[in-house]
Amino acid sequence: DSGVTQTPKHLITATGQRVTLRCSPRSGDLSVYWYQQSLDQGLQFLIQYYNGEERAKGNILERFSAQQFPDLHSELNLSSLELGDSALYFCASSVGGGSGTEAFFGQGTRLTVV
Amino acid sequence: DAKTTQPTSMDCAEGRAANLPCNHSTISGNEYVYWYRQIHSQGPQYIIHGLKNNETNEMASLIITEDRKSSTLILPHATLRDTAVYYCIVRVFSGSARQLTFGSGTQLTVLP
Repeated sequence: DSGVTQTPKHLITATGQRVTLRCSPRSGDLSVYWYQQSLDQGLQFLIQYYNGEERAKGNILERFSAQQFPDLHSELNLSSLELGDSALYFCASSVGGGSGTEAFFGQGTRLTVV
Repeated sequence: DAKTTQPTSMDCAEGRAANLPCNHSTISGNEYVYWYRQIHSQGPQYIIHGLKNNETNEMASLIITEDRKSSTLILPHATLRDTAVYYCIVRVFSGSARQLTFGSGTQLTVLP
């Protein structure tokens, strides 16, 4: 158990809908990272938050957004969903915002868009 | 961050040592070598990292060549549960807020 909690574990929704994925980082970790892993694809970095502020952004679509709340949990919002958005979405956390060295990953949310 | 090259796949007999190579010929002086693994569809798991000295922890050993252009992750006694994709990542330890960049990794299959 990495200490990072992601909910829900599975999500099935229709095209055009909007969903919210939730991540609770390890206790004491200030930084949260979101990754997407499509079928047979590598892990793609989406976005990072550090202590409530956006710190780095990857190839995140404009339909996607995220935020980190004062209690440090984070949410990833995916809207106008398309079939191609079906993927595993992982959240990771680390103590600092600059290293990401020992980032601890959650077990992911499997999103299926039908 | 320096680019890494890993074999696509490797097999290892259960109970034997698994040696996973990684080439990072363009590594710079302040870049560390990190290893993560991902067991099928689970979240990636941190294994070990190092700068230039060999490192060992309860999971594995990391051997970095003197010129730092390549490294080897060693799982001393591989078990079936070690079957996973292993990622070698090279990046700066601290400073700018940058994410871990995962490549294709090596699919290690431990055979009974």
